[in-house]
Amino acid sequence: GAVVSQHPSWVICKSGTSVKIECRSLDFQATTMFWYRQFPKQSLMLMATSNEGSKATYEQGVEKDKFLINHASLTLSTLTVTSAHPEDSSFYICSARTQGRGSPLHFGNGTRLTVT
Amino acid sequence: GESVGLHLPTLSVQEGDNSIINCAYSNSASDYFIWYKQESGKGPQFIIDIRSNMDKRQGQRVTVLLNKTVKHLSLQIAATQPGDSAVYFCAEIPSGTYKYIFGTGTRLKVLA
Repeated sequence: GAVVSQHPSWVICKSGTSVKIECRSLDFQATTMFWYRQFPKQSLMLMATSNEGSKATYEQGVEKDKFLINHASLTLSTLTVTSAHPEDSSFYICSARTQGRGSPLHFGNGTRLTVT
Repeated sequence: GESVGLHLPTLSVQEGDNSIINCAYSNSASDYFIWYKQESGKGPQFIIDIRSNMDKRQGQRVTVLLNKTVKHLSLQIAATQPGDSAVYFCAEIPSGTYKYIFGTGTRLKVLA
């Protein structure tokens, strides 16, 4: 149980284009999902908290107009990287938990974004 | 042995030996702790968790120890196998929040 599916697993796009990444909770409902970014050999950095039916909460330093988050249903959150640039190249990972804060986050398998 | 790379410390152990991965957490108010395993190109996978009212918890081949006095968390892996090779992250959640604070990670290399 507690499977989080992320799609696509990798994407290459040209500078200036936008890319959408999907995150689905397959066997549970998630009112809250979390989007992380990870650079090579580094830890996970929380980008934003995605709330079903309301606006996402962004961490300090994360541009909300560049990283658009939509959490339209209890099983789907999307992250759109708008007008992507090479510095946006990274590993993006979503996560969700089945219960409250005392239960572990379950992570998707990540999306490797390369902007050329 | 253990070495510190540019970003990620590495622990090398012989197959069959026990591994101990350490983590110093930052917030004395943290009340929930989790260990994750991340294989190359994949998302983190939950291993084991522990609440602050405990100091030890065991799973299958893994044990987590919590020392709140010195803010230290460790993950012990018994009879380490090649499939245990990965990067291991600890995470803490401060009381009253829902956000995870991840440690820097440790790369575990299992030598045949």
